[in-house]
Amino acid sequence: AQSVTQPDIHITVSEGASLELRCNYSYGATPYLFWYVQSPGQGLQLLLKYFSGDTLVQGIKGFEAEFKRSQSSFNLRKPSVHWSDAAEYFCAVGPNTGFQKLVFGTGTRLLVSP
Amino acid sequence: EAQVTQNPRYLITVTGKKLTVTCSQNMNHEYMSWYRQDPGLGLRQIYYSMNVEVTDKGDVPEGYKVSRKEKRNFPLILESPSPNQTSLYFCASSFKWKVVGSEAFFGQGTRLTVV
Repeated sequence: AQSVTQPDIHITVSEGASLELRCNYSYGATPYLFWYVQSPGQGLQLLLKYFSGDTLVQGIKGFEAEFKRSQSSFNLRKPSVHWSDAAEYFCAVGPNTGFQKLVFGTGTRLLVSP
Repeated sequence: EAQVTQNPRYLITVTGKKLTVTCSQNMNHEYMSWYRQDPGLGLRQIYYSMNVEVTDKGDVPEGYKVSRKEKRNFPLILESPSPNQTSLYFCASSFKWKVVGSEAFFGQGTRLTVV
């Protein structure tokens, strides 16, 4: 069965420090991988996506993620966190063929301390 | 501006009173879907539609109905809402369900409370 695991429910990071949010997936075929961000009271915004090619993908707002097939992981990183990055982050996996059903992880809430 | 628009944003209703949450997209997307978001569970798909008049159940369809009479609209209908349907609902759309790499665009969400 398809599943996405985000093992950290909450993470607190000091402003200016680096960030890594973990995501592991279980999928029967080559997946397409996404990271979405949800700011308080807002919808989901796509940060970045991986379909093929270079396993290190760049996204908006200075975020990047690395696809590691051997570890079934797609961790999100940012070298220096800003207070405005406080939000909930969702990792999602989708099929590389067929319809666009996304399977989401349970999310990681990022808190940024001054 | 490309967007997915949901209405209402907030809704409080009573058990058993039928309601409809509307969803409209202006990107000419073929694929639309509804998700519900609950704490600790992430987003789960309720229903999806691959095109006009083509809909199917997602992972948690019980208690919900949908219709797709026009390409741009995909309303979510709760015929007899119950308190366990209190949740945050998101509509999403994407371009051509068979086109790989097509990302999903999400609406702003509808927070529904059933008392």
